[in-house]
Parts: sequence; C-alpha cells; structure tokens
Amino acid sequence: AQKITQTQPGMFVQEKEAVTLDCTYDTSDPSYGLFWYKQPSSGEMIFLIYQGSYDQQNATEGRYSLNFQKARKSANLVISASQLGDSAMYFCAMREGGLSGGYQKVTFGTGTKLQVIP
Amino acid sequence: DAGVIQSPRHEVTEMGQEVTLRCKPISGHNSLFWYRQTMMRGLELLIYFNNNVPIDDSGMPEDRFSAKMPNASFSTLKIQPSEPRDSAVYFCASSLNPAGPLEQYFGPGTRLTVT
Repeated sequence: AQKITQTQPGMFVQEKEAVTLDCTYDTSDPSYGLFWYKQPSSGEMIFLIYQGSYDQQNATEGRYSLNFQKARKSANLVISASQLGDSAMYFCAMREGGLSGGYQKVTFGTGTKLQVIP
Repeated sequence: DAGVIQSPRHEVTEMGQEVTLRCKPISGHNSLFWYRQTMMRGLELLIYFNNNVPIDDSGMPEDRFSAKMPNASFSTLKIQPSEPRDSAVYFCASSLNPAGPLEQYFGPGTRLTVT
C-alpha cells in the first residue's frame, strides 16, 4: 500500500481564492510527522508546514494551514488567498518514528501541480 | 545563513564514467538525506545518515551507488559506473534535532545527465 497518497495530479485555482490539496497517509506507527513542501519550476524544495501526530491543533503558517484529521488519516494543505507565485508542485511527506531520536523513515507523495489563474 | 550546498549543480557525463555528487549540510544539523527525483518515480529516498552514520540505505538502487559522510559537514554520493537510467535530479537535505519537527532543508539539487 502507498504510504502517502496524493490523488490530485493537477489543480487550478483562481487568484485570491482558497484551495485545498489532498493528502492521505498510511502508517501503524503512533509517532509520525506530516510535512508539505513546495517545488516551483526552478526546482528547489521549500518546506511549508509541519504537523506532528500528537499535536492537538492544526498547524498554520501564514497563508498555509494543515487540515489534520487523524482518524481519517488525512493531512490536507489549505492555501488561502492564492497568489500567482503559488503555482508549483506540492508534495506531502511523512516521517515515521524518530521523536525519541531514533530512526526516521521519510516518504514523499507523488505531488500535485497547482496552477493559479489570474 | 547558508543553506544546504550541493555541487555540481549540473553534471553531464558519458555512460560508464564515475560521478561524484557533493553535499554540505546546514551547520549543526545532524541528519542528512540523499534523494533522487525523476518524472517516472517521483522523489525517492536513497540513504539517510544520522550523526555521520548511515542508518538506512535500503533506497540505494544497486551496488553502483555508494554514499559516505566522513564528517558532519560533508557527504558524497558516488555512482560508478554511471548509466543513462541514472539521469535525474539528486537532492541532499539536512535536518536538526530529532526531538523537533524534523523538517528537512533541501539543497538546490544536482541535475545529472548520463549519455
């Protein structure tokens, strides 16, 4: 089974609108972390937001928020007030284990290509 | 602050040649990761070091690939001999204290083309 599933290969959103990028995950490890990265056309990978499995609140970073639904094993990224510069590939990733300093296994999803339309 | 530094940024080589990719992690980070990104396979973790020790190399595709981390500020990924199917973007990433969020900071990548 896929560890990280991103079912939307591509999405369009109107500038200034909000958009939700889906991510579901699969793990039996009680300790894990979920991440979102942005990869613009220039190629660099930019860390956006993190959610720990024990965090009670949904993570927020500026216009980015993570809609964490633990029972459903989903960690959707919400971008509010989309900007043209948000056009990029977005990757969801999961780290299993490691909170106690031990081994971390990191898995990335296949990505969603977001295009913001003026 | 200097981020993760990778060199070279682009490498074009002929099949059969040895290729060495280099990475300098962010100072103070104790975990280092090598990834490979292709259109077909997406982003794959090749190997992970913690405190300079290889922890998981299960993603290394075959014996032609090897990675070393002789000290906390330097790592190499070597392919010998290289093959056209090794063409990809290779990223190095580092992260800090394992008790924290563990977000990884990526380098700019090395685009490898093997002809």
